[in-house]
Amino acid sequence: EPEVTQTPSHQVTQMGQEVILRCVPISNHLYFYWYRQILGQKVEFLVSFYNNEISEKSEIFDDQFSVERPDGSNFTLKIRSTKLEDSAMYFCASSEANGGTGSPLHFGNGTRLTVT
Amino acid sequence: GDSVTQMEGPVTLSEEAFLTINCTYTATGYPSLFWYVQYPGEGLQLLLKATKADDKGSNKGFEATYRKETTSFHLEKGSVQVSDSAVYFCALSKRDSNYQLIWGAGTKLIIKP
Repeated sequence: EPEVTQTPSHQVTQMGQEVILRCVPISNHLYFYWYRQILGQKVEFLVSFYNNEISEKSEIFDDQFSVERPDGSNFTLKIRSTKLEDSAMYFCASSEANGGTGSPLHFGNGTRLTVT
Repeated sequence: GDSVTQMEGPVTLSEEAFLTINCTYTATGYPSLFWYVQYPGEGLQLLLKATKADDKGSNKGFEATYRKETTSFHLEKGSVQVSDSAVYFCALSKRDSNYQLIWGAGTKLIIKP
């Protein structure tokens, strides 16, 4: 069964550094998402992406964050200058159709980001 | 705003016990409702879904019915197995947002042999 893959599984970085989290969505999916889960807290929506542009973003997704689909297969999340509070598990997801219609999201295994 | 509330865990049961994990929601309009499961060391997997009132989602012996009158989507299984040990998340998709899922806090389920 096709799956969403994320790399790396664990990333450690120093405060103020830039990080890029990588995802390969399922190939025939059109909608892409990033979510995060701070340890012990709820899963939170960051951003959705469709037709090569951001469809929606949350308050968390400020100017420090950006997303890109550079080559038609990868979907990346960049954090420009990491803060301690960015430490979390970051999940990439994709869906065939618009998630609001009930089309299920398929998630990757996540990247655990640790900012020191 | 829209929200999802789940029963706190961990929930610890013996194998073959009956499982209920409660989930209630607050939302405007008619959201779709989902249960996702996260097995140890893995990502979030869709377990089941329901897109309108009175729909019943089912998968792998798990069931949940979309109850609009009680704004609930409780997860049930008649006889749990050790392999069901995982964290279960209830979530809804917002109708006024075409893309976003709103999540419950997750309920850790531990099944003892």
